[in-house]
Amino acid sequence: DARVTQTPRHKVTEMGQEVTMRCQPILGHNTVFWYRQTMMQGLELLAYFRNRAPLDDSGMPKDRFSAEMPDATLATLKIQPSEPRDSAVYFCASGFGTQGFPSGANVLTFGAGSRLTVL
Amino acid sequence: QQQVKQSPQSLIVQKGGISIINCAYENTAFDYFPWYQQFPGKGPALLIAIRPDVSEKKEGRFTISFNKSAKQFSLHIMDSQPGDSATYFCAASIRQAGTALIFGKGTTLSVSS
Repeated sequence: DARVTQTPRHKVTEMGQEVTMRCQPILGHNTVFWYRQTMMQGLELLAYFRNRAPLDDSGMPKDRFSAEMPDATLATLKIQPSEPRDSAVYFCASGFGTQGFPSGANVLTFGAGSRLTVL
Repeated sequence: QQQVKQSPQSLIVQKGGISIINCAYENTAFDYFPWYQQFPGKGPALLIAIRPDVSEKKEGRFTISFNKSAKQFSLHIMDSQPGDSATYFCAASIRQAGTALIFGKGTTLSVSS
C-alpha cells in the first residue's frame, strides 16, 4: 500500500525551540499539502505545493512558519521559534494533479500526522 | 466565503440507527464535496465524494445528499455500527482550479452497542 510517511510521529519541545517536521509523499504524487488539526479549529490548511512550487501558504503564520520542498520526495514544515499555541497534530497529504486534470489532486492521501507539544 | 460549516460537533447513535451529519457552504464556485473519515491516531481517509450535478450518491451504507440551491450537503450512515465510530469531516474545493480542500471542523460519532 502506497502511503505518506511523516516524521516525527511525536515531538515534545520547549517554547522558543526550532521544530522541523518532514513528509515523504506517495511516489508520483505532485501535490503536497500541510494541514494542522486542533480541537478548536479542526483541519486548517497551512500551505500546499504542486510540482514543488508553492501555490498557497496564506494559512501559515509567516513570521515563524516556513514550508519547503527540497525535492519531489521530501516536504518540510519548520516552526522557529515554537510557541505553546502551535501545539497540534500536523498532517501532510499528497495527491496527483495535472494542468488538464487538477482535480486529481483533490483525492488526498494523508499521513498519520506529527503530534507536536510545545511546553 | 471559504468556510465550510459542519454540525453537529458530536453525535451518539445506537447500533443499527441512522447517523446524519450536515455541512453548509457559501462559495458557489465549490464543485467537489468529499467526506473524510478519521480514526484515533490516524490521518483522515476519503470515504465518499459528490459533485454538484447529482443530488445523491450512495456507497454501501454511506450516502451523500446534496442540495445545491440551499448550499448544503449531508452524510447519512445507515445501520450504524460500532466500527463506524470515528471523526467525520466534510470538505469542499474547486476541482477545475485544483484548489486545496477546505474542511469543516469535524463531527465525532460514537455508535453504542
